[in-house]
Amino acid sequence: DAGVTQSPTHLIKTRGQHVTLRCSPISGHKSVSWYQQVLGQGPQFIFQYYEKEERGRGNFPDRFSARQFPNYSSELNVNALLLGDSALYLCASSGTSARHQPQHFGDGTRLSIL
Amino acid sequence: AQSVSQHNHHVILSEAASLELGCNYSYGGTVNLFWYVQYPGQHLQLLLKYFSGDPLVKGIKGFEAEFIKSKFSFNLRKPSVQWSDTAEYFCAVNAPGAGSYQLTFGKGTKLSVIP
Repeated sequence: DAGVTQSPTHLIKTRGQHVTLRCSPISGHKSVSWYQQVLGQGPQFIFQYYEKEERGRGNFPDRFSARQFPNYSSELNVNALLLGDSALYLCASSGTSARHQPQHFGDGTRLSIL
Repeated sequence: AQSVSQHNHHVILSEAASLELGCNYSYGGTVNLFWYVQYPGQHLQLLLKYFSGDPLVKGIKGFEAEFIKSKFSFNLRKPSVQWSDTAEYFCAVNAPGAGSYQLTFGKGTKLSVIP
């Protein structure tokens, strides 16, 4: 079975640009969450989506947005990129309800801002 | 909001040594507790989880953890580590009682096992 897949693997952007990261959950999973992991820290929660609705939002500025599609895949968008947005962005999926645990993680997208 | 603290930033052990990694969380209500492992170049993988019931939970690869509610702790243990256990270990919690299913992670403990 395919796990959580994320694209692209790596991305280099410059300050002020916009980026879109993509995630496909494990087949049958309906909940998708996004996390940011900066070097030396644990992952930090950004968003959770379930059935195309936002079910939770972490302490991130409005430059961060996300959406979930009818096939349960998801996109994370970040506008007006800052140097501090350089991080590994992780997508996680979990079962058939918003509360279903545990969450299964993808390999992440490494975003570097120059 | 809940928080998680992991006591050790970097632990270095010789093969066959015993391992205990500390994890404490702050939240007074019902919690789900997790340990994830991140091997070099790989994605986060679930080692074990606690939802309810027996506070001693066993996970993959010989790991176990004990939930001590009175101490708000969920320490990870392994009796005898191997070189292949070299990885970063993350403790995480969520609080379903508060309607919060997001994971709150600790900062991680890097384990280096010397052959």
